[in-house]
Amino acid sequence: QQQVKQSPQSLIVQKGGISIINCAYENTAFDYFPWYQQFPGKGPALLIAIRPDVSEKKEGRFTISFNKSAKQFSLHIMDSQPGDSATYFCAAASDSWGKLQFGAGTQVVVTP
Amino acid sequence: GAGVSQSPSNKVTEKGKDVELRCDPISGHTALYWYRQSLGQGLEFLIYFQGNSAPDKSGLPSDRFSAERTGGSVSTLTIQRTQQEDSAVYLCASSSTGGQGTEAFFGQGTRLTVV
Repeated sequence: QQQVKQSPQSLIVQKGGISIINCAYENTAFDYFPWYQQFPGKGPALLIAIRPDVSEKKEGRFTISFNKSAKQFSLHIMDSQPGDSATYFCAAASDSWGKLQFGAGTQVVVTP
Repeated sequence: GAGVSQSPSNKVTEKGKDVELRCDPISGHTALYWYRQSLGQGLEFLIYFQGNSAPDKSGLPSDRFSAERTGGSVSTLTIQRTQQEDSAVYLCASSSTGGQGTEAFFGQGTRLTVV
C-alpha cells in the first residue's frame, strides 16, 4: 500500500497565484519529508525538505508546512510562475533505514 | 561526472529479448534506488540497496526483473523476456547514508521501448 498519499493529482493555477499540494503519511517513524520537482524528460530533483522538529520551512517562494499530530505536510508555491510548471512529488523517510517513500505526484500547470 | 549516470539513455528492444540498464551512482553514496515511471505517471519503486544490507526487492513487479549492485557502486537492472508493458523510463537514484544525507540524486533515466 502507498505509505504517502498525495493530492491533488493535478493543479492549474494562474500566474501569481498560490499552488498548494498536500501529503499525508501513516508511519510515525518517518522523520524526513522532502519535496521533489520534476520537469519533462528529467529526473526528479530535491526542492525543499523538512524534519518534524519544525512546523514550517521557507525557501524563496516555496514553503513546507508540517503538522505532526495530523501526520500531514504540504507544499505552498507562492507567486506561482510559468517556470514552476512541473510535477511535484512529496516523500518521506526514516533515518534508521533511509528508504524514501514517494507520493503519487502532482502535475502543476501555471498559466500566463 | 559528479551526478548519477545512467546508460543507455534510450533503448529499443524487441519483445522477448533481455535488456540490461546500468546506473553509476555518485561516488561514496551507499544507498541506491531503481524506480520505473510510465508516461505521465508517478514513481514506481522497484528495488533499494543500502550498504551491505540485503536489498529491498519488494517493488520488483515479476521474476523477470532483477538487479545487482557490484562492489557497492555500479548497479545493473536486468529485465528478461521483455514485454510491451515494460516500456517506461527507468530512473536510478543514489543517496549518502541515512541521517542528514537522505537526499536522493536522480539520473536522467533510461527510456525503454519494447516493440
